[in-house]
Amino acid sequence: RKEVEQDPGPFNVPEGATVAFNCTYSNSASQSFFWYRQDCRKEPKLLMSVYSSGNEDGRFTAQLNRASQYISLLIRDSKLSDSATYLCVVNPKLTGGGNKLTFGTGTQLKVEL
Amino acid sequence: DAGVTQSPTHLIKTRGQQVTLRCSPKSGHDTVSWYQQALGQGPQFIFQYYEEEERQRGNFPDRFSGHQFPNYSSELNVNALLLGDSALYLCASSPPRGGGPWRDTQYFGPGTRLTVL
Repeated sequence: RKEVEQDPGPFNVPEGATVAFNCTYSNSASQSFFWYRQDCRKEPKLLMSVYSSGNEDGRFTAQLNRASQYISLLIRDSKLSDSATYLCVVNPKLTGGGNKLTFGTGTQLKVEL
Repeated sequence: DAGVTQSPTHLIKTRGQQVTLRCSPKSGHDTVSWYQQALGQGPQFIFQYYEEEERQRGNFPDRFSGHQFPNYSSELNVNALLLGDSALYLCASSPPRGGGPWRDTQYFGPGTRLTVL
């Protein structure tokens, strides 16, 4: 089983639509969670951290369910500029300190006119 | 405020050669991590450097080695290149440890695209 699993998509949605991405992780001791956005042939950029209480940043809402080991990202009122690959990222608890980010394969979103 | 920088941008090598990639972390950051991203995949963790020592390592062979300098910049070295080493190599930096929700956040550089022929 992969450490972080995502539906690769692509998700093709019309402008203005609401789209939801889901992600599951296998390490129950994981301590922090993120969504990164990656444009074609560019580096990943932090979109938002994910907290158990849920967090919202404008049109983006992230949720974490530790019991189900499940993370979600909701994008409302999609824009053409939201077209990108969305990477679910988990930071497992490591012995010896330090941290490493474990990435899913990413979900591709295409927002169309 | 300069972000994470990497050099070179692109590199073409042949099998068996050795390569060195370089990274300068974001101002104020002291921890550097390296990732390999193959086409169509998410980035895979190679290793992390803090206080000039390798602190964590992913599932990569010993052909992959690194170094961190006193100014926090870092190098990734790959020996005996294989065709399968062709990928985007990403460097990420993170701020000093001290608690708070952002201590685990990593910021990525633009990457070095390595092609092995």
